[in-house]
Amino acid sequence: GENVEQHPSTLSVQEGDSAVIKCTYSDSASNYFPWYKQELGKRPQLIIDIRSNVGEKKDQRIAVTLNKTAKHFSLHITETQPEDSAVYFCAASRGAAGNKLTFGGGTRVLVKP
Amino acid sequence: DAGITQSPRHKVTETGTPVTLRCHQTENHRYMYWYRQDPGHGLRLIHYSYGVKDTDKGEVSDGYSVSRSKTEDFLLTLESATSSQTSVYFCAISEEEASTDTQYFGPGTRLTVL
Repeated sequence: GENVEQHPSTLSVQEGDSAVIKCTYSDSASNYFPWYKQELGKRPQLIIDIRSNVGEKKDQRIAVTLNKTAKHFSLHITETQPEDSAVYFCAASRGAAGNKLTFGGGTRVLVKP
Repeated sequence: DAGITQSPRHKVTETGTPVTLRCHQTENHRYMYWYRQDPGHGLRLIHYSYGVKDTDKGEVSDGYSVSRSKTEDFLLTLESATSSQTSVYFCAISEEEASTDTQYFGPGTRLTVL
């Protein structure tokens, strides 16, 4: 089955700096890669996703890049703000309706004012 | 937030007792999932459902069973709870559309097995 590795497990950045989280996956048939943000005590919420026919996707201060050849994808947060402090999870699936997501272990991001 | 509720939100139980967690949705989504979340492991799929009475196992299904008798309800049962099942349990739902796989999560249930 699919295996998703996520690094780093913790990330501390100064407010205004950029943060980058990287994930690798093992199943070459995976073609859907979402990113979830989870604030303390809350549910995971989708912040951005990408499909394998796209190499990069942006939404305001966040962007995701995908390298299918190397089987890795990354989340980039620019101009970080204290409200970006949370745990971020990457995931992968084969992309059909109802297909199962395999999650990475999570990255705790702390943005220092 | 999508119309997903979980009950109970918190539960403390003793080893060996049966426990049932409920997930209820008002979105009429076809797919429903149960995950557990533990530090360092992210979210791991326990069981999922692709329709009424249609369920299948995920990666950590041992010790758990599920049932879905109505579109809106997906039950997770621990037949005989163990301390290793202490965790936060999340339900999720997704639509039938092939063009989107977005899973929406419920608020979670914190289960402690003593």
